[in-house]
Parts: sequence; structure tokens; C-alpha cells
Amino acid sequence: SQQGEEDPQALSIQEGENATMNCSYKTSINNLQWYRQNSGRGLVHLILIRSNEREKHSGRLRVTLDTSKKSSSLLITASRAADTASYFCAARSQGGKLIFGQGTELSVKP
Amino acid sequence: DTAVSQTPKYLVTQMGNDKSIKCEQNLGHDTMYWYKQDSKKFLKIMFSYNNKELIINETVPNRFSPKSPDKAHLNLHINSLELGDSAVYFCASSLEQGYYGYTFGSGTRLTVV
Repeated sequence: SQQGEEDPQALSIQEGENATMNCSYKTSINNLQWYRQNSGRGLVHLILIRSNEREKHSGRLRVTLDTSKKSSSLLITASRAADTASYFCAARSQGGKLIFGQGTELSVKP
Repeated sequence: DTAVSQTPKYLVTQMGNDKSIKCEQNLGHDTMYWYKQDSKKFLKIMFSYNNKELIINETVPNRFSPKSPDKAHLNLHINSLELGDSAVYFCASSLEQGYYGYTFGSGTRLTVV
């Protein structure tokens, strides 16, 4: 069964606004990763948070992890038109599989 | 100097044909993967190799066979192609089976007609 589920499936915001995407997973994980995919391209790794971490920052990205709720969120601050892409969470299970969610399509309008 | 390169980028073929997709990484990673992305963008792991050894073999038809001649290469051969095989196939690599982030190739869009 699918490990990660994301919410919302689509998000449309104006440039300068913040974008928040949520992810839930089902089993114990070693880490949780977020990826970006631009249309017609491969996935690009954005940030990884380990199961013993609660929050991590990288530039305009902030990721939180709540292992008790089996959920994570990705916040993109001060969004730009170039942030328009699909964003995927991926949970790395204890067994070594990296299972992806269905993704959130983010549209940032100039 | 592409980190993970896949060839071909596009592949259009008729049902029943056999085709291969090649993948090479120059990052020195020890683990390589094949993922399938369907039309709804859902990514599903197919196979994973660690130092040429198969470690993940998901429930995929026997028509799909991965081959890893060395730890820098992981090819995917598909026999008797079916319409349902149409998808984008991504190769990826990582250190230590996912303890670190994956690096993905740009994908191969397979269309079976």
C-alpha cells in the first residue's frame, strides 16, 4: 500500500505568499524526504529529516516531522514563480524502501 | 558531467516488442533504483540494487528484468511490451540505500502503441 499521502493535491498561491504542504505515512520510518519535480523533468532532492529530528530548515524551506502522528509538512516561504512544480514526500521505511506520496501540485502566480 | 543519465529520453514502440533503458551514475553511489511514474504522477519503486546485488524486487511482471553489470550501471530490459507499460521510468541512485537523498535521472518516457 502507498506509504505517503499528501494534502492538498493542488495549491495555487500568489508570489510572495507562503505555501504549506502536508504528508502522512503509515509505518515506521528511518527518514522522510521531500522532492520537487518540474514539468517533464526528474525529481530533485530538497531536504531530508531523520526520525529523531522534529524540524529542519534549508533556505526558504522548513520541514517538520511528527512521528507520533506519522506526518510531515513542508513550508516554502516567500514563494516565487520558479517554485511552481510538483512536490513529493517520500518515507524511507526501516526495511530500506523509499515510498513516495502522490504529490502536491504547486502553482505560484506572478 | 550529468550525475545520473538515462537513455533514451523518449521511446515509442509497438506492443510485443522488447526494449531496454540504460542508466549510469558517476556519483560513486552504491545503490541504484528503477521507479515507474504513471500518468497520475504516482511513483512506484520497481527494483533496487546495492553494489550489483538485487535488494528490492517489487511485484512487477516477469517481463521486466533489471541488470547491473557494475555499481555505476543499472539497465532495465522489458520483454513483450504492453499498452499498460506506457509510463515514465526513472533511474535513481543514493548512498547506503536511502539513508541519504536520492539523485534522479531525467526519465525515459515510454509509449507503447
